[in-house]
Amino acid sequence: GDSVTQMEGPVTLSEEAFLTINCTYTATGYPSLFWYVQYPGEGLQLLLKATKADDKGSNKGFEATYRKETTSFHLEKGSVQVSDSAVYFCALTRKQAGTALIFGKGTTLSVSS
Amino acid sequence: DSGVTQTPKHLITATGQRVTLRCSPRSGDLSVYWYQQSLDQGLQFLIQYYNGEERAKGNILERFSAQQFPDLHSELNLSSLELGDSALYFCASSAGQNSNQPQHFGDGTRLSIL
Repeated sequence: GDSVTQMEGPVTLSEEAFLTINCTYTATGYPSLFWYVQYPGEGLQLLLKATKADDKGSNKGFEATYRKETTSFHLEKGSVQVSDSAVYFCALTRKQAGTALIFGKGTTLSVSS
Repeated sequence: DSGVTQTPKHLITATGQRVTLRCSPRSGDLSVYWYQQSLDQGLQFLIQYYNGEERAKGNILERFSAQQFPDLHSELNLSSLELGDSALYFCASSAGQNSNQPQHFGDGTRLSIL
């Protein structure tokens, strides 16, 4: 079945460091891909999305490119801030399988000043 | 603020009991989803409603049920509760049934079974 695999955390970085969180997926066809972020005590917020191959989603300095050849959707940010500390979830939906999100296990990011 | 409202924020109850979680979707959204977040299982899809009708089921136990009312709010009913049902339950809503549409999440209901 469809699945999402994220790199294990926690990821610990200093402020202004470069961030990469790896995400790969298994799905037939052409899923839509999402990154959600969860701040402590809050619900998930959509960070960015991409709906077809080679699309780049971007928001708040974060970027991810839909790579069908490597079935990946890695999240990157050039310079992280303390306020970026949160749990990041990669997820997919596949039209033929309904619209429910299938999530990875999440990656905790901790940024120190 | 996502516009999705979940009540209550916290619930503490005992094994064998029954609880109801409530969700009000964003204004105009017709789809409502329920997800369970636990340490061992991660985030798992439970069930989806669209405009009052059940649309999809995920890993939802038979002891759990849900419905969506004419005003589009939804309730998730959990019965014969077990210790393993302790989790964070999220509701999300989206405008329709397009898999490209983002889902907007509430802040969740934390259920603790003693």
